[in-house]
Amino acid sequence: AQSVTQLDSHVSVSEGTPVLLRCNYSSSYSPSLFWYVQHPNKGLQLLLKYTSAATLVKGINGFEAEFKKSETSFHLTKPSAHMSDAAEYFCVVSVASGYSTLTFGKGTMLLVSP
Amino acid sequence: DARVTQTPRHKVTEMGQEVTMRCQPILGHNTVFWYRQTMMQGLELLAYFRNRAPLDDSGMPKDRFSAEMPDATLATLKIQPSEPRDSAVYFCASGRGQPNYGYTFGSGTRLTVV
Repeated sequence: AQSVTQLDSHVSVSEGTPVLLRCNYSSSYSPSLFWYVQHPNKGLQLLLKYTSAATLVKGINGFEAEFKKSETSFHLTKPSAHMSDAAEYFCVVSVASGYSTLTFGKGTMLLVSP
Repeated sequence: DARVTQTPRHKVTEMGQEVTMRCQPILGHNTVFWYRQTMMQGLELLAYFRNRAPLDDSGMPKDRFSAEMPDATLATLKIQPSEPRDSAVYFCASGRGQPNYGYTFGSGTRLTVV
């Protein structure tokens, strides 16, 4: 079984300040982890993925995430928020077994103020 | 960039009518998911296909929903009869069957049942 907990339903930051979106996971197997972003009335876009290679993963638009097995965490960060980052972010877990679906967290809405 | 194409983008229908949503996965992808997104439930897995065979459709109301892949280039999700509680955004995603490749989502079909 696998599950994802996104610890904050909303995060508010000012433009130019750091972003931290928290995610904890649970998995019976070695997980693959993803962050997807959804802008209003849009589809889901892959930001980055962890698949058992480097634990620090760099994605698009300046985002990165660090896989910490001991803490079962995969937090998403960005050094400096931009107004265009305002969106909903989903942490997702999957496993590389014969039967593997994507399990989504509830999402974190990132609000960026000028 | 390769895309997952979903049609229609928007659908408004009356309760009791049949609704068919279509998805064209990325060429070469052998895994297709259908997800439903609502404010209350977030993203829920409805169906999961690998090499056109259904692996899991336990998330679908069996009495009214059906999912098929008549060929490798087309996945369909049907609702008959539709009900107002089916109003949601329905996403299709495709991938190569291993999580390390990631999954690509379509733009979704926004369904409104009145």
